[in-house]
Amino acid sequence: GQQLNQSPQSMFIQEGEDVSMNCTSSSIFNTWLWYKQDPGEGPVLLIALYKAGELTSNGRLTAQFGITRKDSFLNISASIPSDVGIYFCSHLESEKLVFGKGTKLTVNP
Amino acid sequence: DGGITQSPKYLFRKEGQNVTLSCEQNLNHDAMYWYRQDPGQGLRLIYYSQIVNDFQKGDIAEGYSVSREKKESFPLTVTSAQKNPTAFYLCASYSLLPYQPQHFGDGTRLSIL
Repeated sequence: GQQLNQSPQSMFIQEGEDVSMNCTSSSIFNTWLWYKQDPGEGPVLLIALYKAGELTSNGRLTAQFGITRKDSFLNISASIPSDVGIYFCSHLESEKLVFGKGTKLTVNP
Repeated sequence: DGGITQSPKYLFRKEGQNVTLSCEQNLNHDAMYWYRQDPGQGLRLIYYSQIVNDFQKGDIAEGYSVSREKKESFPLTVTSAQKNPTAFYLCASYSLLPYQPQHFGDGTRLSIL
């Protein structure tokens, strides 16, 4: 299957800072999904993107579906301690959901 | 409330033993999936099913088996053939028509005694 390249692998930030992470693929796709996983829990869907160029917000989170359909980014503004976790990008490839390896976010109070 | 329930939360296996992880959903979703997650890694697909009584192998199916006798249930058996079963197992489901993104259960952590 296709690989999703997610970066950075990890981030250490101070509370209040903005965060940006992205995902790229060698192929084009019709969906981009962003999930967050808290330690010991299942991933929770944050934002779903279905159209090239689409920019969607969910509270302090903003995600965009790249124009080329090969990339997506997720921004978190004014980070807080509960933003800690692993963020995964994913897309639907045929019947399968393919995931990046995740960006581990640590927020220092 | 509708959702996906995985049980147990923690499971221990002895060498040579088969264990079964439960996944139940009341979302009326057609498709159900099993993933394996190792520390610092992403999610790898074990098996998936898009319709009752039918399922397909994912990328790492060796040493695992599944059944889909009911729409709501998709149990995963970790067999003794799986030599490195210690991992976090996640079940997910989604609606094909209309399409709705995958939702996950809270996971089962399997450890070897």
